[in-house]
Amino acid sequence: KAGVTQTPRYLIKTRGQQVTLSCSPISGHRSVSWYQQTPGQGLQFLFEYFSETQRNKGNFPGRFSGRQFSNSRSEMNVSTLELGDSALYLCASSSTSAGELFFGEGSRLTVL
Amino acid sequence: KQEVTQIPAALSVPEGENLVLNCSFTDSAIYNLQWFRQDPGKGLTSLLLIQSSQREQTSGRLNASLDKSSGRSTLYIAASQPGDSATYLCAASNTNAGKSTFGDGTTLTVKP
Repeated sequence: KAGVTQTPRYLIKTRGQQVTLSCSPISGHRSVSWYQQTPGQGLQFLFEYFSETQRNKGNFPGRFSGRQFSNSRSEMNVSTLELGDSALYLCASSSTSAGELFFGEGSRLTVL
Repeated sequence: KQEVTQIPAALSVPEGENLVLNCSFTDSAIYNLQWFRQDPGKGLTSLLLIQSSQREQTSGRLNASLDKSSGRSTLYIAASQPGDSATYLCAASNTNAGKSTFGDGTTLTVKP
């Protein structure tokens, strides 16, 4: 059974640009969550989608957005990039009522 | 607001030693608590999930306990090996909806 797949794995952008990251959950998982990991702030929750609906949202500015498709694949978008957006963006999927999270390898974004 | 603390931040032990990693959380109304391992530059690997109604979970040399009344969880690693060297993170969730609060992790080094 394939795990959570995130693309791209690495990317470099400049300030002011926008970026779209993709996440394919484990087959059958309908919940997809996104997290930002930085050395200074650790792992912080961005948002969670279930059946194409955002169920939870963390404390991030509106420049951070996401969506989920009918096949449960999810994308997150960051517009007007800032230097502080440089981070490892992690996606997790979950299927059971137990709420166990399974993470992908992450997308490492560097903003210059 | 849930807050999660992990002590110590770093730990170095000789191979073969048994060790305990600590995780404290402020809101005892948790849904579950999950322990993860993260290798440098990688995503998170799920180690153990403890449901709110459970007291402990075991997997191989790992044993995790949960005490909601005191707001504490411990991860016990028996007979540590150099391959156990990694950062260990705990995450508390108040729902099954993909939103977890993470500690900053304990970086473990096991010396041969």
